[in-house]
Amino acid sequence: AQSVTQPDIHITVSEGASLELRCNYSYGATPYLFWYVQSPGQGLQLLLKYFSGDTLVQGIKGFEAEFKRSQSSFNLRKPSVHWSDAAEYFCAVGDGYNTDKLIFGTGTRLQVFP
Amino acid sequence: GAGVSQTPSNKVTEKGKYVELRCDPISGHTALYWYRQSLGQGPEFLIYFQGTGAADDSGLPNDRFFAVRPEGSVSTLKIQRTERGDSAVYLCASSPGHGEGEQFFGPGTRLTVL
Repeated sequence: AQSVTQPDIHITVSEGASLELRCNYSYGATPYLFWYVQSPGQGLQLLLKYFSGDTLVQGIKGFEAEFKRSQSSFNLRKPSVHWSDAAEYFCAVGDGYNTDKLIFGTGTRLQVFP
Repeated sequence: GAGVSQTPSNKVTEKGKYVELRCDPISGHTALYWYRQSLGQGPEFLIYFQGTGAADDSGLPNDRFFAVRPEGSVSTLKIQRTERGDSAVYLCASSPGHGEGEQFFGPGTRLTVL
């Protein structure tokens, strides 16, 4: 069965610093991969997704992620973090050949210091 | 607004009671999903509808949980004989179709079973 691992439960960075959130997945074929952000009191919002093609995908709010098949990873990056980026970030993989059943990781809580 | 809405936002009930949680998807979205998010965890898939029918209910934990979508729009998640372990945030999402679409999430219903 598919699974997603986010090894970092909590990350703290200074505003303006770069950010990388790790995500590893377990899936035999080419996966459908997603990053969602959840702010307090808000619904999950899609940052970006990978289905096929270019392994470096650009998302909203200045985020990008790179699919590395050899490492089974889909790490999220941002070159300069803003205080408003403080939130919970979830990596997810589509179960099977579609995205109707998403398997989520346990999340990484990002804290940003001024 | 035009997003996914869920009511109530909070529900407190006593062990053994019956509860209903409602989801209004984005107008025109044919696919609807229910997830459950326990404290400190990522969302866990429960069930998904394509139109009026439940296409995949493999995530429902037991027969106390049931969901309907009689007219292909609004959905209700029903939990009988609630248990303290049912306490969680129940998330609903919708998408225009199924397979490769983004899921748009609502803010969730926080269920507390005393």
